[in-house]
Amino acid sequence: GAVVSQHPSRVICKSGTSVKIECRSLDFQATTMFWYRQFPKKSLMLMATSNEGSKATYEQGVEKDKFLINHASLTLSTLTVTSAHPEDSSFYICSAKSGRGQYNEQFFGPGTRLTVL
Amino acid sequence: AQTVTQSQPEMSVQEAETVTLSCTYDTSESDYYLFWYKQPPSRQMILVIRQEAYKQQNATENRFSVNFQKAAKSFSLKISDSQLGDAAMYFCAYRSPYNNNDMRFGAGTRLTVKP
Repeated sequence: GAVVSQHPSRVICKSGTSVKIECRSLDFQATTMFWYRQFPKKSLMLMATSNEGSKATYEQGVEKDKFLINHASLTLSTLTVTSAHPEDSSFYICSAKSGRGQYNEQFFGPGTRLTVL
Repeated sequence: AQTVTQSQPEMSVQEAETVTLSCTYDTSESDYYLFWYKQPPSRQMILVIRQEAYKQQNATENRFSVNFQKAAKSFSLKISDSQLGDAAMYFCAYRSPYNNNDMRFGAGTRLTVKP
């Protein structure tokens, strides 16, 4: 299957700083990318959906000013956690889908563990 | 909004035996997709099997098969001849053909395989 990478795999930052996580589709063009958050021993919760070249659509309860998503190209989406706080510590997973057809498979990145001190 | 329910937080199976993981979902849509994903300790999500709602035939992938009951909105996963490498979190997921095709996950079932 297609490969989706995330960078960094782990990041530790101080409270109040901003952290950027990159999600790349390595061998296909991702017209749609999804960002999920996963708490320990919990399920994946969809945070936002982004289509290349347009603004992200955020799920209810997700602060768009805190979690900035940019999908500037067909192979790259970034999630920036602004003014991070300890409660933002979590595992963030991105997923990418090629094409706009409903049958296209979604591929997942390996995730990024964020720890805010 | 669609919801996915996995009622078994944990399951265990003896190596080489068969285990079934349960999943139910709620939707008013007639066309959709269902998935089972495996998340090992590495946390990488791995697609195990998928089922299109319009297909009556249950999907199978080697030792993995599903029992898709559309009327009952049930989508269980059967793992045959369980192997130690099958130990992981298993998530059932629903994907709508609308709304950007976003995927909704169940709470997960942690599968332990005993040697």
